[in-house]
Amino acid sequence: GENVEQHPSTLSVQEGDSAVIKCTYSDSASNYFPWYKQELGKGPQLIIDIRSNVGEKKDQRIAVTLNKTAKHFSLHITETQPEDSAVYFCAARTSYDKVIFGPGTSLSVIP
Amino acid sequence: EAGVVQSPRYKIIEKKQPVAFWCNPISGHNTLYWYLQNLGQGPELLIRYENEEAVDDSQLPKDRFSAERLKGVDSTLKIQPAELGDSAVYLCASSGPTNEQFFGPGTRLTVL
Repeated sequence: GENVEQHPSTLSVQEGDSAVIKCTYSDSASNYFPWYKQELGKGPQLIIDIRSNVGEKKDQRIAVTLNKTAKHFSLHITETQPEDSAVYFCAARTSYDKVIFGPGTSLSVIP
Repeated sequence: EAGVVQSPRYKIIEKKQPVAFWCNPISGHNTLYWYLQNLGQGPELLIRYENEEAVDDSQLPKDRFSAERLKGVDSTLKIQPAELGDSAVYLCASSGPTNEQFFGPGTRLTVL
């Protein structure tokens, strides 16, 4: 079935450095790729998304890139801050209109 | 704008007991989702509703799980009887015309 892989599972960076999380998906017909941030005790919150007709999207310190040929997409966070510490999930919407989530990356930003 | 509301936030029950979770989506959102989230994993879809119709319940274990959304607004997810392996966070989400999913805070279920 459809699958989304995500790496790394844990990531520690110094405050001010950049963080990169990478995902791959299996359904070549996937056309929508959201990224969610989940803080402890809360539900996932959408932070940025990208559609298949776009290669890159940026929102302040957050950017996403998409390589449809390779079925890869990545999240880039620049100038990281302690409040960026959370679990991040990538996801892909399949041709069946189902959103499949990756296993998550636990990001720690060290002050 | 009020977000997705879920209750209860926490529930502890003994195995073989029934349990129910309630979700009220964002006003105007026709699509409602129930997800299961195990510790250290991403959410997994259990069921998706378009208004009152369940359009994808392929991952719902129908021998013990049931769900309803009778008037196309709020929804209830039930487990009967609960098993130890059902301990997890149950997330509800809703979406409108943009298909962006908004999640509630979840219900953390512990089965003893």
